[in-house]
Amino acid sequence: RKEVEQDPGPFNVPEGATVAFNCTYSNSASQSFFWYRQDCRKEPKLLMSVYSSGNEDGRFTAQLNRASQYISLLIRDSKLSDSATYLCVVGSGTYKYIFGTGTRLKVLA
Amino acid sequence: NAGVTQTPKFQVLKTGQSMTLQCAQDMNHEYMSWYRQDPGMGLRLIHYSVGAGITDQGEVPNGYNVSRSTTEDFPLRLLSAAPSQTSVYFCASSYSRDRAKQYFGPGTRLTVT
Repeated sequence: RKEVEQDPGPFNVPEGATVAFNCTYSNSASQSFFWYRQDCRKEPKLLMSVYSSGNEDGRFTAQLNRASQYISLLIRDSKLSDSATYLCVVGSGTYKYIFGTGTRLKVLA
Repeated sequence: NAGVTQTPKFQVLKTGQSMTLQCAQDMNHEYMSWYRQDPGMGLRLIHYSVGAGITDQGEVPNGYNVSRSTTEDFPLRLLSAAPSQTSVYFCASSYSRDRAKQYFGPGTRLTVT
């Protein structure tokens, strides 16, 4: 079983829709969680950290479920510019960050 | 600030050749790392450094060497290129106090024939 798993997608959604992705992790001792965004043939960029109580940044909401060992990302009112691959990242130690393979989102006009 | 820069952007090597991928950052970040990204595999950590003169192995270090003589530079050396090293290589840096917030360079696309 992979340490971090994501549905590769693609998730095809119309503009204005709400879409959610999940990411599961296998190491119950994992301590930190993040979502990165990667545009086609570009470098990953940090989108947001994920806190135990859940957190929101504009149209984006991230949540952590430690009991079931998954994190989620919710995007409301999708824009064309949200089309990208979303990478889940799990930190299990001081310098060990495991990247998921990503979930591809296409927002359609 | 230029952020994290990488050279070259593209490279084709023959099996057995060696080369160095360059990475530099101008943000005075203590932590730097090298990842490779392959289809269906996600980014995998090759080597990392927590400061000048200190390096350590990541998940997939075999076939690669690194050194960190200055805070700014963190080159990755391929000793004897193999087709299995065909990949996209990303360098990243961050402050030690906020290691997870990594800034990535634009990547080097390497093909080994």
